[in-house]
Amino acid sequence: DAGITQSPRHKVTETGTPVTLRCHQTENHRYMYWYRQDPGHGLRLIHYSYGVKDTDKGEVSDGYSVSRSKTEDFLLTLESATSSQTSVYFCAISEGGGRGVKNIQYFGAGTRLSVL
Amino acid sequence: SQKIEQNSEALNIQEGKTATLTCNYTNYSPAYLQWYRQDPGRGPVFLLLIRENEKEKRKERLKVTFDTTLKQSLFHITASQPADSATYLCALDDYGGSQGNLIFGKGTKLSVKP
Repeated sequence: DAGITQSPRHKVTETGTPVTLRCHQTENHRYMYWYRQDPGHGLRLIHYSYGVKDTDKGEVSDGYSVSRSKTEDFLLTLESATSSQTSVYFCAISEGGGRGVKNIQYFGAGTRLSVL
Repeated sequence: SQKIEQNSEALNIQEGKTATLTCNYTNYSPAYLQWYRQDPGRGPVFLLLIRENEKEKRKERLKVTFDTTLKQSLFHITASQPADSATYLCALDDYGGSQGNLIFGKGTKLSVKP
């Protein structure tokens, strides 16, 4: 999976608890992304980062925060998990953003999160 | 409103036939369109990228076309094999939106029967 590690791979948690998902890359790519994938919705962008400490919101960012203190690590935090956040979460990286071949994305294996 | 649609949720074909998957979009002006493959329990894997000024792109048994007038991309797998069974996603850049981030279709699940 192109040097991308997501942890944990599976997590079950309770409503109202905080959850942090980690994405680690060894490719030294500038851009990192967090998506969620749900039946009937496909992949939707939560947040992305275009450099250390540089992040921005995606389509479905409510209830999520992110941090990137090092090039290789991108953390996704659910401050207070809700059942609607039960999903499969994917991290992706790309060499660059914007248009073109630099925006080809490489995905991790995903984290399956269940919020009970 | 903006939409990207893959016209079939599922496509079943016989081994050896050509699979054709469709990706249509509305109210986007992508310069690039990408296709990914996703196997169950795995992340998507990049297959092909086509530019707006390219009519066709090939890679082994895969062929992608991009018609900006019809706002459509077609993805073909020739001489299909059971190992081609997977979900295929199209994605386009949304430069008018958030810095060119990719917008993904919901995918078409292809099943190739022996």
